[in-house]
Order: sequence, then C-alpha cells, then structure tokens
Amino acid sequence: QKEVEQDPGPLSVPEGAIVSLNCTYSNSAFQYFMWYRQYSRKGPELLMYTYSSGNKEDGRFTAQVDKSSKYISLFIRDSQPSDSATYLCAPGGDTGRRALTFGSGTRLQVQP
Amino acid sequence: NAGVTQTPKFQVLKTGQSMTLQCAQDMNHEYMSWYRQDPGMGLRLIHYSVGAGITDQGEVPNGYNVSRSTTEDFPLRLLSAAPSQTSVYFCASSPNLERGTIYFGEGSWLTVV
Repeated sequence: QKEVEQDPGPLSVPEGAIVSLNCTYSNSAFQYFMWYRQYSRKGPELLMYTYSSGNKEDGRFTAQVDKSSKYISLFIRDSQPSDSATYLCAPGGDTGRRALTFGSGTRLQVQP
Repeated sequence: NAGVTQTPKFQVLKTGQSMTLQCAQDMNHEYMSWYRQDPGMGLRLIHYSVGAGITDQGEVPNGYNVSRSTTEDFPLRLLSAAPSQTSVYFCASSPNLERGTIYFGEGSWLTVV
C-alpha cells in the first residue's frame, strides 16, 4: 500500500462545476498538507498549504484536512477551463524525511 | 525572478551515451533535489542535497550521479543512458524541506533510444 493514495482520474467536468479532489495517507506523523498544481509540460507549483485539521480557503479553492481519518481534499468552486491540470497532494511534517511524499496526481479536465 | 532553472528542456540520447542535466537556483536554498516523473508513478526522488558538499540517494538513484559544489548548482549526470531512463526530470529547491515550499523547475524531457 502506498503511503499517499490519490485517484489518478482523469476527471472531466463542465465549466462551473464544483470539483472535489481527494487523497488518503497512512502516516499519522504528517502535520502539513500541500496541494500542488501541474499544468501540461510544466513543473508543479504550490497551490494550497494547510497545517493540521480544518479548512483553508483561497478564492475558489478550499483545502480540507481530516487527520482523524487521514483524508485530505481540495475543492474547486466555479471551475474554469484554466483549472485543467494535474493536482498532486503532498503531506509533510517533522518526520525526518529526505523529501516530500507526493500523491501520483489527479488529472482534471474542465470542459468549456 | 529566475527561481529554479533547468537545461536542456528536451534531449534525445542514444543508449549508452552520457549527459548532464543542469539545475541552478537563485533563492539561496540549502535543499535541492532531483525527481523523475513517469505516467502513473508520480514524482520519485532520485538524489537530494541538504547543502553544498552534501548529497545522498533517494528512491531511484541507480544510473544517476550528482554533485553539489555550490549552493546554487545541482547537476544530474546520466552515466550510461538506458531506455528505462526515458522520463521527465524535475529539479527542485526548498528553504526548509518539510515545513517550507518546494519550488520546481520547468522540467527536462529526456528520451533514450
């Protein structure tokens, strides 16, 4: 079992839809939870950064963390074609790791 | 703002050839790393460095070599290219690995024939 599991998609939605992207993880030491967005033929870039359980909102994006169930979500409201990208979750924390552990990514396509 | 710069962006190699992927960052980050990204496999760590003169292996180091003579530069060397090394390579840097943001380069697309 992978330490971070993410549905690979692709997920195709019409413009304006609410999108839910999800990850599960197994290491309870994770304290920080990040979402990266990767456009085609580009490097990943940080989209959202949250600490511990709870919600964090930034414009049309909401990151939700439930540490009790080891479940993290990214919601996109009023999705736009420009949101079409691959979204990678990346939990982190003081685990003494050599690198962040990334999910394999969910490819999202927003149809105009 | 240059950030993390990778060169070349595209490269085709023949099996057995060697080459170096260049990576430079101008943010004075101590931590730098190389990942490869393959379909369905996500990002896999090849090598990393926590500062000049210090390097270590990641998850998939075989066939690759790195050095870190300066804070800014972290080149990745393919010693004898194999078709299994066909991939997209990303260099990344971070001020603080697990609490900070990781900044990625634009990627280098490598095909080994």
